[in-house]
Amino acid sequence: DSGVTQTPKHLITATGQRVTLRCSPRSGDLSVYWYQQSLDQGLQFLIQYYNGEERAKGNILERFSAQQFPDLHSELNLSSLELGDSALYFCASSLLETDTGELFFGEGSRLTVL
Amino acid sequence: GENVEQHPSTLSVQEGDSAVIKCTYSDSASNYFPWYKQELGKRPQLIIDIRSNVGEKKDQRIAVTLNKTAKHFSLHITETQPEDSAVYFCAASNPNAGKSTFGDGTTLTVKP
Repeated sequence: DSGVTQTPKHLITATGQRVTLRCSPRSGDLSVYWYQQSLDQGLQFLIQYYNGEERAKGNILERFSAQQFPDLHSELNLSSLELGDSALYFCASSLLETDTGELFFGEGSRLTVL
Repeated sequence: GENVEQHPSTLSVQEGDSAVIKCTYSDSASNYFPWYKQELGKRPQLIIDIRSNVGEKKDQRIAVTLNKTAKHFSLHITETQPEDSAVYFCAASNPNAGKSTFGDGTTLTVKP
């Protein structure tokens, strides 16, 4: 158990819909990262938050947005869903701002868009 | 930005043999190089990491080497066991960029 909690574990929805994925980081960790892993693909960095502020951005689509709340949990919002958005979405947390230490991954949220 | 290339994409070895996975990176400012193991259907977990001020690090059957001049680093697994079968990801982290860039992963299969 990494201490990072992601909900929901599985989500099935239709094209055009909107979903919200939630992540609670490990106790004490201030950084939250979101990664997308499509079938048989690597880990694509989406976005990082540190202590409530956006810290780094990857190839995140405009249809996607995220935020980190004062209690440090984070939400990833995916809208106008397309078939290609089907993937495993991982949240990871770390203590540091600069990601030069271990990332602790949650179990992931598997999104299926039909 | 950082670009990390990982080879091979798949690797099959007999139990007891060694396995080597190699990564190259492009950003000379990267200074932290972790390796993650992801078993089927599970989350990635850190297995070993190395920082730029060190050339080699070992932890039991696993070792990582780093060549900063050539910008490449490698994972070595000795005496492989079936439970080593997984996808292995390398990553390079530049503290100024605020994120790790991952390689595309290597699927390691250890045959009994």
